Amino acid sequence: AQTVTQSQPEMSVQEAETVTLSCTYDTSESDYYLFWYKQPPSRQMILVIRQEAYKQQNATENRFSVNFQKAAKSFSLKISDSQLGDAAMYFCAYLGVGNQFYFGTGTSLTVIP
Amino acid sequence: EPEVTQTPSHQVTQMGQEVILRCVPISNHLYFYWYRQILGQKVEFLVSFYNNEISEKSEIFDDQFSVERPDGSNFTLKIRSTKLEDSAMYFCASRGDTPTDTQYFGPGTRLTVL
Repeated sequence: AQTVTQSQPEMSVQEAETVTLSCTYDTSESDYYLFWYKQPPSRQMILVIRQEAYKQQNATENRFSVNFQKAAKSFSLKISDSQLGDAAMYFCAYLGVGNQFYFGTGTSLTVIP
Repeated sequence: EPEVTQTPSHQVTQMGQEVILRCVPISNHLYFYWYRQILGQKVEFLVSFYNNEISEKSEIFDDQFSVERPDGSNFTLKIRSTKLEDSAMYFCASRGDTPTDTQYFGPGTRLTVL
C-alpha cells in the first residue's frame, strides 16, 4: 500500500512570512495525484492544492505553491505571506489508481501575529 | 458553489446502538466515499461507492458497517452496533465521473460513543 509521511508534526510561522511543509510518499505507481488539504478547528477538510504526477510544472494557487520532486517522491507545500487564517492542520494526500486517498499524519501550523 | 453536506454535525450514542450518518453529495457526482478520522490521527479511507454498489473498502469497514444510497440524493453510512472505538469524525466525499476529478469533502459528523 502507498504511504504518505509528514515528518513535521508542528510548524510555526510569523504572519506575512513564508513557511514550507514537507511531505514524502512511497508508491510504485506512475500515474497518481497529490493533494494538500487544510483542516481548521472546525475539522472540515478543505482542498488547498493538487498536483498531477504527469505534470512537471509545480501547481500554484495564489499564495500556495508546491515543490513536486517526482524522482525523490517529495511534495512540499509553500505558503507565502502567511495569514492568521492559514492556521490549521495540513494533510498531504496521495490518490492513485485505487481511487482512495492515503493521508499523512498532518502538520499543525501556527501563525504568530 | 456546490458542496457536500452531512447530518448531523454531532451524534452521541450509547455503545451497542445503531447509528446512521447521512451525506448529500454534490448533485452531479457519481462516486461517493466515507473516511474516518479518530481524534488526533490521520484520515483513513473506509469505503467507496459507485453505481449503487461498493467499489472498494478498507479493513476498517467490517460487517458492522454498511452504506446505502436510498434515493437520488442521500448517501448513508450505518454502523450496526457501535463500539467505543468507533468514536471519530466521519467524512463523506464525492467526485465526478472522471478519475482526475477532485474529491470534495463534507464538513464531517463527529460521532461520540459512550
